[in-house]
Amino acid sequence: EIVLTQSPATLSLSPGERATLSCRASLRVSSYLAWYQQKPGQAPRLLIYDASNRATGIPARFSGSGSGTDFTLTISSLEPEDFAVYYCQQRSNWLPWTFGQGTKLEIK
Amino acid sequence: EVQLVESGGGLVKPGGSLRLSCAASGFTFSKAWMSWVRQAPGKGLEWVGRLKSNADGGTTDYAAPVKGRFSISRDDSRNTLYLQMNSLKTEDTAVYYCTAFPYCSGVSCYPGVDYWGQGTLVTVSS
Repeated sequence: EIVLTQSPATLSLSPGERATLSCRASLRVSSYLAWYQQKPGQAPRLLIYDASNRATGIPARFSGSGSGTDFTLTISSLEPEDFAVYYCQQRSNWLPWTFGQGTKLEIK
Repeated sequence: EVQLVESGGGLVKPGGSLRLSCAASGFTFSKAWMSWVRQAPGKGLEWVGRLKSNADGGTTDYAAPVKGRFSISRDDSRNTLYLQMNSLKTEDTAVYYCTAFPYCSGVSCYPGVDYWGQGTLVTVSS
């Protein structure tokens, strides 16, 4: 099973600041990595797929990068609605499609 | 409008069984690869298993913690996905989400679109 390790566990920032979230895979997953956002009481929402492609309707302030084992989600300028928990998920040919443990982005 | 509506959750004793349903609408269910993801209270997301479309073989894959106890099936005539859960353990307590990849063919799906239900809570407790 591929283990995804997200860092930091909690990120405290203010609106307008830049957020950088990391996801590291225990084995190479090529570019088969997705990022999700989850708000309390809601289902996760797909933000980024294949490491760097924004899903439909996702604002341009969200961007993804990386390949192989190291990936980054960047939010260029935080909006109040961006404070949530973020998960990465690998979708390679290696099952199961594991998730990282999450990064909580909180208001400073 | 796409909808995935889970049902069947509730309280069950350890060792018991439960069947969850997921009613789908707004997309071509028969072509979609379907999966279940769960989230224990206050914890992260855990992939449970996947069922390919019948056109793509109808095969299933499961995460290790549920393999041999859980079974995913589908009824394309009813646009419904099922999760049969047997030999339930307290650690199976979670919100269970039904998810869909609607654009699939052959060995892969277009990864840029997926749909999620709102989840149903399963509590395993004596």
